[in-house]
Amino acid sequence: DADVTQTPRNRITKTGKRIMLECSQTKGHDRMYWYRQDPGLGLRLIYYSFDVKDINKGEISDGYSVSRQAQAKFSLSLESAIPNQTALYFCATSDRAGTDTGELFFGEGSRLTVL
Amino acid sequence: GEDVEQSLFLSVREGDSSVINCTYTDSSSTYLYWYKQEPGAGLQLLTYIFSNMDMKQDQRLTVLLNKKDKHLSLRIADTQTGDSAIYFCAEIMRNTDKLIFGTGTRLQVFP
Repeated sequence: DADVTQTPRNRITKTGKRIMLECSQTKGHDRMYWYRQDPGLGLRLIYYSFDVKDINKGEISDGYSVSRQAQAKFSLSLESAIPNQTALYFCATSDRAGTDTGELFFGEGSRLTVL
Repeated sequence: GEDVEQSLFLSVREGDSSVINCTYTDSSSTYLYWYKQEPGAGLQLLTYIFSNMDMKQDQRLTVLLNKKDKHLSLRIADTQTGDSAIYFCAEIMRNTDKLIFGTGTRLQVFP
């Protein structure tokens, strides 16, 4: 089983609909992240959380919200989806201990299409 | 700004060396990374370099770091078709401890 699991893997929805992407991890990491990937733009950080009570905005948080329900779960919501939110979304985790390199561990991605 | 820049495409012949370049912004980054994304998959860490190093070699991979110019490169020796992927450089932003990725370089290896 994957250490970082994202659901759904693929979703097609219509403009204005509410969408939730879920992420769960079995790595025991405190830190979790949501990125989106667009061709030619690389990965851009949407939100990140360093522990259950900590939520931070990334570069492109407008139009998104997150919830850290537990150490292992971090969900991303689009309250009212729009077509330019069509992208590949990645959840990632890390365990930034004192001697750790800060490596991120990624899920397999959730492809969202907004019509 | 927090831009990490890479060229978008690189095409090489199988058996040749590939060099992927990256410029980053935060001179106080402690670690710099290269991630690999194969088709249909998430990113996986390929290698990293600590900021007090100039070079790191790991089998076919050589990472060069020029802190003065904020330039990072990844050299893949004897490039194989299995190396075809998107390669991302990334840096840790010292003040926020978050990872910022570059735009990615798509490496295509042809026979």
